[in-house]
Formats: sequence, C-alpha cells, structure tokens
Amino acid sequence: NAGVTQTPKFRVLKTGQSMTLLCAQDMNHEYMYWYRQDPGMGLRLIHYSVGEGTTAKGEVPDGYNVSRLKKQNFLLGLESAAPSQTSVYFCASSRQGPYEQYFGPGTRLTVT
Amino acid sequence: GEDVEQSLFLSVREGDSSVINCTYTDSSSTYLYWYKQEPGAGLQLLTYIFSNMDMKQDQRLTVLLNKKDKHLSLRIADTQTGDSAIYFCALAGGTSYGKLTFGQGTILTVHP
Repeated sequence: NAGVTQTPKFRVLKTGQSMTLLCAQDMNHEYMYWYRQDPGMGLRLIHYSVGEGTTAKGEVPDGYNVSRLKKQNFLLGLESAAPSQTSVYFCASSRQGPYEQYFGPGTRLTVT
Repeated sequence: GEDVEQSLFLSVREGDSSVINCTYTDSSSTYLYWYKQEPGAGLQLLTYIFSNMDMKQDQRLTVLLNKKDKHLSLRIADTQTGDSAIYFCALAGGTSYGKLTFGQGTILTVHP
C-alpha cells in the first residue's frame, strides 16, 4: 500500500514548455486534489476532483489543466509554463470531502 | 472565502510546551485539522477536532477550540527536537465543503 505517489519529484522547465504531473493513489479514494505551496502562503488549491471523470476549479486554477480518467490517477498539466509557476506541488486524496486528506511527497518545479 | 491565519514562527526550548495558534473566519467549518510538514516531505495529519468539541487530547498533543472567538490551538507537551517542522491548521466543511483551506503554516524550531 503505497498511499499517494507523485511523479516526477523534481523538474526544471524553460518558460513556454509544457509538462504533466502524475498523481496516483491506491486507497480507492473518491476525492483528489492538487495544491501548490509557496513560502509564507500555505497550500493553495489549484483543482480538485470528486470522482472519476469529474474536475473542478480551486482557488488558483489559471495556467493549469487537470484530468481524472481513472479513479486512481489525477493529472496536472501546464500547457505553457511561466516563472510564476515555480513552486512545490502536492497531490492529496480523501475518501470523501471533507475527511482526512492524504498527501503525496510533492514535486518541486522550477521554471526558468 | 475562508480566511485562516497563523503566526509564521515559534521558537521553544526542548522539554518546554509549544502552543501554535490559528484563527479563522468561517464559523460553519465542521472539521478542523492540524497537519505537520517535515523538511522536504508532504503533509502528515497530526490530529483533528470536530466543531462540536472544545478539546481533544492525543498523547502529547492537545487541541483547543474556541468557537466564539474562532480560535484553534495546538499544544505540544514536552517538545522534542524531532517536533521541529511546519504546522498547518486546515478547515473543512461549511462554505468550503469538500476542500481544505490552509493557514500559512507556523515554523516551529526546537532548541536543545
């Protein structure tokens, strides 16, 4: 039982490049979330999903897209990376909202 | 939307008690959580309290909830150097059902 895993752990992009972050959970959770963490700002919700095939916008969705084609996976895409998207990205899942969320180890993304 | 505020830094001596405070605006929050983040890691749930409770004790951890003042605190007894981390309060339910709203995090430093 791996819990929540994230791929990759680190990435450096040039401005304008695209990439996809993968989150996987093996707990059969319905809800999945993508957050970004910036110094002094806590975690801010980017997008979330309340079940397979559903997605919804969070607090800071601009510049990101998501997909939840399979229940266990939640993908976060950056179509055209910008330096303002330099951050640490965390994925989380929960059996339902608003119960306990389980977090992945994070992906550190740098956009130059 | 929900506002959740925490002080950014707390420094204590090993063996003393630590008290980390959190204030919030949404009185309809139903679940209130404390998460711990160690350097380079994801967030780990420490404890939580339901909004119909005033206090919860879990080994060295005591959570106090003052609904009238919208104030949540986490007390760590006999603080150890291994408790050095960032502590986040997070609220769920009410107007943010299905999503957690995080405070900025309090960096706890424990000196020997």
